[in-house]
Amino acid sequence: DAGVIQSPRHEVTEMGQEVTLRCKPISGHNSLFWYRQTMMRGLELLIYFNNNVPIDDSGMPEDRFSAKMPNASFSTLKIQPSEPRDSAVYFCASSSGGPAYEQYFGPGTRLTVT
Amino acid sequence: DQQVKQNSPSLSVQEGRISILNCDYTNSMFDYFLWYKKYPAEGPTFLISISSIKDKNEDGRFTVFLNKSAKHLSLHIVPSQPGDSAVYFCAAGMDDKIIFGKGTRLHILP
Repeated sequence: DAGVIQSPRHEVTEMGQEVTLRCKPISGHNSLFWYRQTMMRGLELLIYFNNNVPIDDSGMPEDRFSAKMPNASFSTLKIQPSEPRDSAVYFCASSSGGPAYEQYFGPGTRLTVT
Repeated sequence: DQQVKQNSPSLSVQEGRISILNCDYTNSMFDYFLWYKKYPAEGPTFLISISSIKDKNEDGRFTVFLNKSAKHLSLHIVPSQPGDSAVYFCAAGMDDKIIFGKGTRLHILP
């Protein structure tokens, strides 16, 4: 099993540009999570999908952030326009249940906005 | 306002000894708790969990203790091994909400 796949692994972009992060969850998992990790705030849940439907997006920092899950095998997290304070590592995770169940994390995307 | 706090940013333990990582939470409604371990440049991996109806859960060298009255949980690793050097995150949640602490970096000394 390939595990959770994220792309790109690294992204460097200029302030104001659009950034799209991609995630392929583990086949058969019905829950998908997007997290952001920073030194100041630690690991924060941004949004949680169940059966492709957003269940909780209260962690999405502002309207510049949006996430979609068009099917069970693909999700995107988009930042438009990007700002330097968005620089962080973004993780995608999937599980066969909700947040109380074991989540399998991808390797993360390190985003740097200059 | 942090609802899940790991007050020790780092901890050093001699190989073979017990490592104890602590976590405090503020919301008494949390009903499940998990620990994840993270190596550099990798995503976190699940270690162990406990529900609020229990006060202890054990899995090999790892034991999680829950003290609901104190709103405190701890992870014990016995004996500590070099491969345990990593960042450990505790997480607490209820229903579809989960909140992670900022993590504790554990160094296992030879």
